[in-house]
Amino acid sequence: AQTVTQSQPEMSVQEAETVTLSCTYDTSESDYYLFWYKQPPSRQMILVIRQEAYKQQNATENRFSVNFQKAAKSFSLKISDSQLGDAAMYFCAYSKRGDDKIIFGKGTRLHILP
Amino acid sequence: DSGVTQTPKHLITATGQRVTLRCSPRSGDLSVYWYQQSLDQGLQFLIQYYNGEERAKGNILERFSAQQFPDLHSELNLSSLELGDSALYFCASSAMTGIAEAFFGQGTRLTVV
Repeated sequence: AQTVTQSQPEMSVQEAETVTLSCTYDTSESDYYLFWYKQPPSRQMILVIRQEAYKQQNATENRFSVNFQKAAKSFSLKISDSQLGDAAMYFCAYSKRGDDKIIFGKGTRLHILP
Repeated sequence: DSGVTQTPKHLITATGQRVTLRCSPRSGDLSVYWYQQSLDQGLQFLIQYYNGEERAKGNILERFSAQQFPDLHSELNLSSLELGDSALYFCASSAMTGIAEAFFGQGTRLTVV
């Protein structure tokens, strides 16, 4: 069965600094999607970034970028120039292509220190 | 705003009762998903409907059921409620299946007392 592991329950970063959130996953599939979702106090689940497994290039969305290591089954999220509004719970997630079920990790709570 | 609407936002009910959670997907989206977020289990996929038909089932209890209506809105019915059913229930929608890009509503916070 596919699993997603986030080993850092909580992290803190100084405003304007860079932080990296870690995620590993386990799957026997070769074609899949990986995601990072953000859940702020409003509890809305917001898609931050998506990576397709067959694409070598790491996805980037403004200050958010990923380091996708397919062989190592690692998918970390880097947030540059951290802002107070980045404070939230971040979930790493996986979905096999053609299968709409999304499997989530337990989350990492990110605190931004002013 | 994702365009997915869930009602009610909060619900408090007693053990043994039955409740219905409602979800209106984004305009034009045919696929609706239900997820449960609890402190101990995290976010878990419950069930998916596509254009009125059940498409995939996850860790959904037999006491729970769902349906998607012709206007594409969906309802999640939870019966014989237990304290452990207290959780945040999310609905998500997507335009079709197989693209793994779902937009989430704000959730319904269910508290069973």
